[in-house]
Amino acid sequence: AQKVTQAQTEISVVEKEDVTLDCVYETRDTTYYLFWYKQPPSGELVFLIRRNSFDEQNEISGRYSWNFQKSTSSFNFTITASQVVDSAVYFCALSEGDSGYALNFGKGTSLLVTP
Amino acid sequence: DAGVIQSPRHEVTEMGQEVTLRCKPISGHDYLFWYRQTMMRGLELLIYFNNNVPIDDSGMPEDRFSAKMPNASFSTLKIQPSEPRDSAVYFCASSSSPGQRNYGYTFGSGTRLTVV
Repeated sequence: AQKVTQAQTEISVVEKEDVTLDCVYETRDTTYYLFWYKQPPSGELVFLIRRNSFDEQNEISGRYSWNFQKSTSSFNFTITASQVVDSAVYFCALSEGDSGYALNFGKGTSLLVTP
Repeated sequence: DAGVIQSPRHEVTEMGQEVTLRCKPISGHDYLFWYRQTMMRGLELLIYFNNNVPIDDSGMPEDRFSAKMPNASFSTLKIQPSEPRDSAVYFCASSSSPGQRNYGYTFGSGTRLTVV
């Protein structure tokens, strides 16, 4: 069963638009961790954020913000004023005790930002 | 720290040949993971180790795949014999234990394997 669902396969926006990438997860653990990674065209996996299940505070880092809501099992990622350099595939991932804390990735959302 | 180091970056081999991928994790990390990325299946976990001991290898596709971690600073993923369907990008990642302040997963640059 898919534990992390990223329903948006591809998103295309024009530069300076805001864009939100959705992530829904499934777990029975009370302690778990959520992550977002960026994979630019060069192929490496770049860590963006980690969130603990017991910390629902939203977080902002520059143009990036994350909205963690346990009530809806969602951990959405918003890019404000998108730029061409934001074009990449973004992965949401879950780490939980049931899986031995191995990262379980969603299928990814491909974001294309055009000038 | 130089991060997680994988070698080679690219590997092209003929079907039937043995392929060995290498990984050096971050010093002090006690977990090591091997992932495979394909267009069809996305990022899938193959195997992971904790303190050099294999914990879960249920993701290893078949007996042609094997992985070892002889010490805390080195791991290998071997495919023998290789087949065209093994063509993919293979990532190694390491992490500290959950709950630690610096808990997180660092990925290597990946090995792009092409089997012709």
